[in-house]
Amino acid sequence: DVKVTQSSRYLVKRTGEKVFLECVQDMDHENMFWYRQDPGLGLRLIYFSYDVKMKEKGDIPEGYSVSREKKERFSLILESASTNQTSMYLCASSLSGSSGNTIYFGEGSWLTVV
Amino acid sequence: AQSVTQLGSHVSVSEGALVLLRCNYSSSVPPYLFWYVQYPNQGLQLLLKYTSAATLVKGINDFEAEFKKSETSFHLTKPSAHMSDAAEYFCAVSDQGRNTGKLIFGQGTTLQVKP
Repeated sequence: DVKVTQSSRYLVKRTGEKVFLECVQDMDHENMFWYRQDPGLGLRLIYFSYDVKMKEKGDIPEGYSVSREKKERFSLILESASTNQTSMYLCASSLSGSSGNTIYFGEGSWLTVV
Repeated sequence: AQSVTQLGSHVSVSEGALVLLRCNYSSSVPPYLFWYVQYPNQGLQLLLKYTSAATLVKGINDFEAEFKKSETSFHLTKPSAHMSDAAEYFCAVSDQGRNTGKLIFGQGTTLQVKP
């Protein structure tokens, strides 16, 4: 069965802290994604990666960075957390080759910045 | 640019009634279209997807959707709602041409099922 695992389900961080959100997939997928989910806004793409060490900005990359040193792991980094980054963060992965391939999601990480 | 509009942020139906969740898309190239469901405190799960084969697509839990190019729509239906269908539903579009795998999501529709 496919599995995308987000290591932290619930986090509370202070303003200005550096925050790491970790994601691991066990399906040997080339593509990995970080989305942010907010009520009334749906899901918005922060960053995605189509190969190890490769990344592209999504629609809302400001205030975030990512790291992909291994194929199975994709990390989202908040360099200096701010209260407007309080949100649900969803990691996802898919096979490359077609935009019709299913994207599989993790269970999400709820981040509160105080 | 591609976009997705889900009409109605909140839909309420009685148990056993027809479920209809509306989705319209905008795309200058042939799209792939997806419906995902999110149960409380969980990630998103694929319900069904259109990838340019049959225009009527059947998914899990008796959901189906019809791709109508002339109306740029991909509405989700289910003949008879169950209490367990209460969740948030997202319509999404991707670009057939670019093969990046990126999805553009609608704002989501929360489905309430009343006993």
